[in-house]
Amino acid sequence: SQTIHQWPATLVQPVGSPLSLECTVEGTSNPNLYWYRQAAGRGLQLLFYSVGIGQISSEVPQNLSASRPQDRQFILSSKKLLLSDSGFYLCAWSVQGGMSGNTIYFGEGSWLTVV
Amino acid sequence: SQELEQSPQSLIVQEGKNLTINCTSSKTLYGLYWYKQKYGEGLIFLMMLQKGGEEKSHEKITAKLDEKKQQSSLHITASQPSHAGIYLCVVRGTSYGKLTFGQGTILTVHP
Repeated sequence: SQTIHQWPATLVQPVGSPLSLECTVEGTSNPNLYWYRQAAGRGLQLLFYSVGIGQISSEVPQNLSASRPQDRQFILSSKKLLLSDSGFYLCAWSVQGGMSGNTIYFGEGSWLTVV
Repeated sequence: SQELEQSPQSLIVQEGKNLTINCTSSKTLYGLYWYKQKYGEGLIFLMMLQKGGEEKSHEKITAKLDEKKQQSSLHITASQPSHAGIYLCVVRGTSYGKLTFGQGTILTVHP
């Protein structure tokens, strides 16, 4: 069966420090991968998606970046965190192929607090 | 853009009671997902409905899609404390990964 893991689960970082959140998927090949952010009281905002190794699409201009060095690995990074980067970050995957109709499966989430 | 409205916004029930959560769309529903989220955790996929009139069940949770009413309902039978959490209805957009969420229904089940 397929599983998705992301870490760390919680993170407290000072303003201006770097960030690296990692996500891996097991049990499937060539998935679509996503990074979402959930701000308090709001739905999930799509940050990045990837349809293949090295292929990253950004949805929202910001100081975050994403990379996909391996087929089932997705990394969310920042060189210098801002206070507004605080939130709950979720990695997700779906089957490669159609944009609709394929279920999106989410990781456990990572709480980021920028102080 | 499509909007989803869930009702009720919060629900407190006694263990063993049945309950229903509704999700109404501002536009035609071509498919809808139900997720559950516990505080501080990821979203757990419950089920996906793709066709009008479709009904799916998993354990004690049943979801229906009424295409004509642009509405979906989630029904829990004989609720348990483990059912507590935030229930979210979600629709996919036409772009990769774009999701529209209902505002969520907070369910509390008292033992």
